[in-house]
Amino acid sequence: DGGITQSPKYLFRKEGQNVTLSCEQNLNHDAMYWYRQDPGQGLRLIYYSQIVNDFQKGDIAEGYSVSREKKESFPLTVTSAQKNPTAFYLCASKTNEKLFFGSGTQLSVL
Amino acid sequence: GESVGLHLPTLSVQEGDNSIINCAYSNSASDYFIWYKQESGKGPQFIIDIRSNMDKRQGQRVTVLLNKTVKHLSLQIAATQPGDSAVYFCAENIMDTGRRALTFGSGTRLQVQP
Repeated sequence: DGGITQSPKYLFRKEGQNVTLSCEQNLNHDAMYWYRQDPGQGLRLIYYSQIVNDFQKGDIAEGYSVSREKKESFPLTVTSAQKNPTAFYLCASKTNEKLFFGSGTQLSVL
Repeated sequence: GESVGLHLPTLSVQEGDNSIINCAYSNSASDYFIWYKQESGKGPQFIIDIRSNMDKRQGQRVTVLLNKTVKHLSLQIAATQPGDSAVYFCAENIMDTGRRALTFGSGTRLQVQP
């Protein structure tokens, strides 16, 4: 099946802990994105990458980090510097202006 | 700042009725618009898009209307079904400028009553 796979579906973070959310795509898309969604709200851009080995900060990048070593993969690390990490995280890739989303990861703080 | 927003946070309709979800945008330079449907606990799914050189575009049971004069976008769903219950987002962008990503509105929840 072609598409975007996010894992895990649910993730729990302890205080002071870094956690990494996985995003893999087999759509051969160059551009990939990470969005954060809070309950009842829209999507806010965290980081994006338009090509391998390159990425840029979005609107709410503080407390997050990413890497783009392979075209297929764009993992997001939520660091201990992110003081309010509880949210639904969505990864997407883009072709012809359209974003294709994964099924999301719900991150909660223990 | 420039933003995309929605008029109604929640819309409740009867099964079989037509639904209209509205969206206002403030960036007059935007030339590409897209609607997404998001079911609970899932990622948004593409519904339909429209470029600014068009006023109307139709898909299967859905129609998007664009009024550039008043910067208004709407999504019409014909014969609404229970499976249409979800949150609907509009998003906008400016094509061919290298602008980084779509800008999303806050969403409208559509509730279909049986």
